[in-house]
Amino acid sequence: DVKVTQSSRYLVKRTGEKVFLECVQDMDHENMFWYRQDPGLGLRLIYFSYDVKMKEKGDIPEGYSVSREKKERFSLILESASTNQTSMYLCASTLPGGYGYTFGSGTRLTVV
Amino acid sequence: DQQVKQNSPSLSVQEGRISILNCDYTNSMFDYFLWYKKYPAEGPTFLISISSIKDKNEDGRFTVFLNKSAKHLSLHIVPSQPGDSAVYFCAAVNLGDNFNKFYFGSGTKLNVKP
Repeated sequence: DVKVTQSSRYLVKRTGEKVFLECVQDMDHENMFWYRQDPGLGLRLIYFSYDVKMKEKGDIPEGYSVSREKKERFSLILESASTNQTSMYLCASTLPGGYGYTFGSGTRLTVV
Repeated sequence: DQQVKQNSPSLSVQEGRISILNCDYTNSMFDYFLWYKKYPAEGPTFLISISSIKDKNEDGRFTVFLNKSAKHLSLHIVPSQPGDSAVYFCAAVNLGDNFNKFYFGSGTKLNVKP
């Protein structure tokens, strides 16, 4: 069964901490994405990557960075966590020209 | 500027009746549309899709309709079941875009009452 795995289901971090959210896919997908989901705002794209070491900003990249050192792994980094980054974070992957994303189960991050 | 909009944040339907979820888009370059279903504390899962060369696609109780001239699509669930209660996101993509960036609506929370 193909999978996108997010390392943590729930995280609680303090304001100012550096936070790493990890995502691993086993489908050999080139394209990987990080979204956040907030009530009333839907899914908003933070960053995406179309190849190892390649990254592109999405719609809301401020306060975030990403790393893709290996094809299967895409990390989202909150350089200095703030309370407005409390959210559900979703990782997804797809092949180029592919017709759908496979999503991970999500990480519910609370910044206190 | 949101390119995909779901104007109804919530919908409540009686079990056995039809649920109709609506979605509008603004970008005429979109040529593939999908619906995802999301339960709390889980990632979205693919439900059904439609290509812009079609105006209807059916899969069991789920049917998606596409009206390209109106830039509107809808998801029909017949009959609705309590297990259908979830948040539904519509998504649109330009398949000519190598990055396959999907644009998502804000979601509609469906509640199917027993």
